[in-house]
Amino acid sequence: EAQVTQNPRYLITVTGKKLTVTCSQNMNHEYMSWYRQDPGLGLRQIYYSMNVEVTDKGDVPEGYKVSRKEKRNFPLILESPSPNQTSLYFCASIVSISGLLTDTQYFGPGTRLTVL
Amino acid sequence: AQSVTQLGSHVSVSEGALVLLRCNYSSSVPPYLFWYVQYPNQGLQLLLKYTSAATLVKGINGFEAEFKKSETSFHLTKPSAHMSDAAEYFCAVSNTGGFKTIFGAGTRLFVKA
Repeated sequence: EAQVTQNPRYLITVTGKKLTVTCSQNMNHEYMSWYRQDPGLGLRQIYYSMNVEVTDKGDVPEGYKVSRKEKRNFPLILESPSPNQTSLYFCASIVSISGLLTDTQYFGPGTRLTVL
Repeated sequence: AQSVTQLGSHVSVSEGALVLLRCNYSSSVPPYLFWYVQYPNQGLQLLLKYTSAATLVKGINGFEAEFKKSETSFHLTKPSAHMSDAAEYFCAVSNTGGFKTIFGAGTRLFVKA
């Protein structure tokens, strides 16, 4: 079954304690992306990756890091989480052809993060 | 720069009534346009997408949307609402050749019995 998985699904942590949210897809998609969802703001893109070792900032990258060492995985790293990073996070993947976004984004189930 | 505006953060309709969720976009290049639905405690699911083919796009669950370039709109409609349509709906735009997707703020649809 084609899917995007995220772990953990729920996380409560404290300010400054480094954390990683994992994202994995089994569809061999080149493109992956991270979003955060906040009430009244919709989804905002944090980082995206066009392929292995190729990443770029989205609209709200401050306070986040990503890496893309393997095609299937795209972890989101919060080196020093702060309360304003409390949010619902979604990972997504999509196939690109010749550099064009041509298909549907497949979203993971979401990770609800609370930073105290 | 691209942007998406969804008119109305909440829309309430009666079961069996027409559903109309409004979306206006701005884009300097011909856009890809999408509607996604999010049910409680779930991720986003694609309803339909416009990618420069037919301007009237049919999606899943009886939804459709019409791309109107002159109005820069991509409104989502369904002729007859069902209780199971209650969810949050997001309009999104992405430019060809790019990898950045911009989402609207979302519209929560309530369906009254």
